[in-house]
Amino acid sequence: EAGVTQFPSHSVIEKGQTVTLRCDPISGHDNLYWYRRVMGKEIKFLLHFVKESKQDESGMPNNRFLAERTGGTYSTLKVQPAELEDSGVYFCASSQGGGLAIQYFGAGTRLSVL
Amino acid sequence: GQNIDQPTEMTATEGAIVQINCTYQTSGFNGLFWYQQHAGEAPTFLSYNVLDGLEEKGRFSSFLSRSKGYSYLLLKELQMKDSASYLCAVRDMSGSSYKLIFGSGTRLLVRP
Repeated sequence: EAGVTQFPSHSVIEKGQTVTLRCDPISGHDNLYWYRRVMGKEIKFLLHFVKESKQDESGMPNNRFLAERTGGTYSTLKVQPAELEDSGVYFCASSQGGGLAIQYFGAGTRLSVL
Repeated sequence: GQNIDQPTEMTATEGAIVQINCTYQTSGFNGLFWYQQHAGEAPTFLSYNVLDGLEEKGRFSSFLSRSKGYSYLLLKELQMKDSASYLCAVRDMSGSSYKLIFGSGTRLLVRP
């Protein structure tokens, strides 16, 4: 069974450009999370989908970030326009349920904004 | 507030035992998780505790004391491949989500 996959693995863009990150969760997992790790800091929560609905988006830094999960399968995270401080590694995780369900992580997308 | 502390780096010898500590302060505790992460790879689930006590999974064990806000990960019979970062994360249920709150990670170096 395939794990959580993220694309691209690495993206280099210039300040002001737009980037879209994609996450394919494990098949059948209704819960999908986005996290990010900026340089030297801990991994921090961004938002949580249950199927196609946003359950919690309290970690989204500002309105330059837009996450979608149309159809409740894969998710995209768009940053528009990108700023230097958006550089970091963006992780996606999925779980089969809420509560005590284990979250399985993808390898992340490393975003470099120049 | 929410705070998770773990040592930044540790070094141990192949074949030995190492204990990685984690202390936490969170408002909606619903379990503590340990992940292993090799550079450039996905964090991989190792173990979790919801109730106090020790959970054992092969060479890895994790302990939790909720009253003390304390956990540790014990790695036995260390192997070179155990060199990685170990992430302590608390599941926080204070909001409407099951988000994980991570510590900064402990970088473990296993020497021959």
